[in-house]
Amino acid sequence: DSGVTQTPKHLITATGQRVTLRCSPRSGDLSVYWYQQSLDQGLQFLIQYYNGEERAKGNILERFSAQQFPDLHSELNLSSLELGDSALYFCASSAGNSYNEQFFGPGTRLTVL
Amino acid sequence: AQKVTQAQTEISVVEKEDVTLDCVYETRDTTYYLFWYKQPPSGELVFLIRRNSFDEQNEISGRYSWNFQKSTSSFNFTITASQVVDSAVYFCALSEVGTQGAQKLVFGQGTRLTINP
Repeated sequence: DSGVTQTPKHLITATGQRVTLRCSPRSGDLSVYWYQQSLDQGLQFLIQYYNGEERAKGNILERFSAQQFPDLHSELNLSSLELGDSALYFCASSAGNSYNEQFFGPGTRLTVL
Repeated sequence: AQKVTQAQTEISVVEKEDVTLDCVYETRDTTYYLFWYKQPPSGELVFLIRRNSFDEQNEISGRYSWNFQKSTSSFNFTITASQVVDSAVYFCALSEVGTQGAQKLVFGQGTRLTINP
């Protein structure tokens, strides 16, 4: 158990809908990262937050957004969902904001029908 | 741009055999970190090791060992006396660090390792 929690574990929704994925980092970790894992794209970095502020952005679609709250939990919002958004979404956390190993949560499997 | 290549898509061996997973990376940074993660069938990503670009010493942890060679931009992972529980997808990753501590992991495509009894 990495100490990173993600909810829900599974999510099934329809095209055009909006969903919110939630992540709680390990106790004491200030950085939260979001990754998407799909069969065709592999593991792709989406976005990083450090102590509530956005630090790095990857290949995150404009339909996706994230935030980190004062209690350090983070949410990833996916809107106008398409079939291609079906994937496993991981949250990870690390102690600082540079070079630290990232510890991953169990992931949220999103299925868009 | 940074890139990680794991040329071996799938490897299948018989239990107790030694197996090496290859990882080749590309980066222009002089300071960087390399990682290996394991993804068992249950799906979670498990951290195995972190190695910085200034430390080329090989590392051994039980049946696992890692060989970092800067000259060939490789960071290979060897499992000695493999066991069925080692069956998983293994990812090599490179840490890309930007300004103000921005960090992202660039992952290889993964190697699916199957250990047969």
